[in-house]
Amino acid sequence: QKEVEQDPGPLSVPEGAIVSLNCTYSNSAFQYFMWYRQYSRKGPELLMYTYSSGNKEDGRFTAQVDKSSKYISLFIRDSQPSDSATYLCAMSAPWGTSGSRLTFGEGTQLTVNP
Amino acid sequence: EAQVTQNPRYLITVTGKKLTVTCSQNMNHEYMSWYRQDPGLGLRQIYYSMNVEVTDKGDVPEGYKVSRKEKRNFPLILESPSPNQTSLYFCASSLKDTRRGLAGGRPPDTQYFGPGTRLTVL
Repeated sequence: QKEVEQDPGPLSVPEGAIVSLNCTYSNSAFQYFMWYRQYSRKGPELLMYTYSSGNKEDGRFTAQVDKSSKYISLFIRDSQPSDSATYLCAMSAPWGTSGSRLTFGEGTQLTVNP
Repeated sequence: EAQVTQNPRYLITVTGKKLTVTCSQNMNHEYMSWYRQDPGLGLRQIYYSMNVEVTDKGDVPEGYKVSRKEKRNFPLILESPSPNQTSLYFCASSLKDTRRGLAGGRPPDTQYFGPGTRLTVL
């Protein structure tokens, strides 16, 4: 069983829709939760980061973490065609002997249609 | 400009022909790593390096070697490539940060990725 599960999609929505992307995980040691965005033919780049449980908002993006359910979400409001990308969740335990080791989800491919 | 560079970006080779993919970062980062990305499997870590001359295996190290002789460079070596190593490869780096429980700002694990190297082994 994978440590991090993410529905790969693909997900196709009309412009302006609210998008919900989700990941579940099994490792209770994870405390840092991130969302990376990867455009076609590019490397992933950090979109949002949350430490432990709670919500974090950044413009049209909201990240939620529910550690009791081992479930994280990324919401995109008023989605735009420029949001079309693959979104990867990533998690890690506190810095330790294995350093900044991230465990990634498979990624969800999102297309926002004009 | 702060960046991670990889070369080559695209490579087609044949089974058994040794190759090296270079990775360089100009951010003075201590931590560097290599990932491969495959459909249905996502990003998986191959090797990582905590600092110069300190390397360790990730989740899928078989068939790969790395070295870290200088802080900025972290080449990935395939001594005898096989078709199952056909993949998209990413190098990444991050600034070592021993803080825990950050209230804000960049997390300790922010990794900056290179543009990727698409490798095909025939």
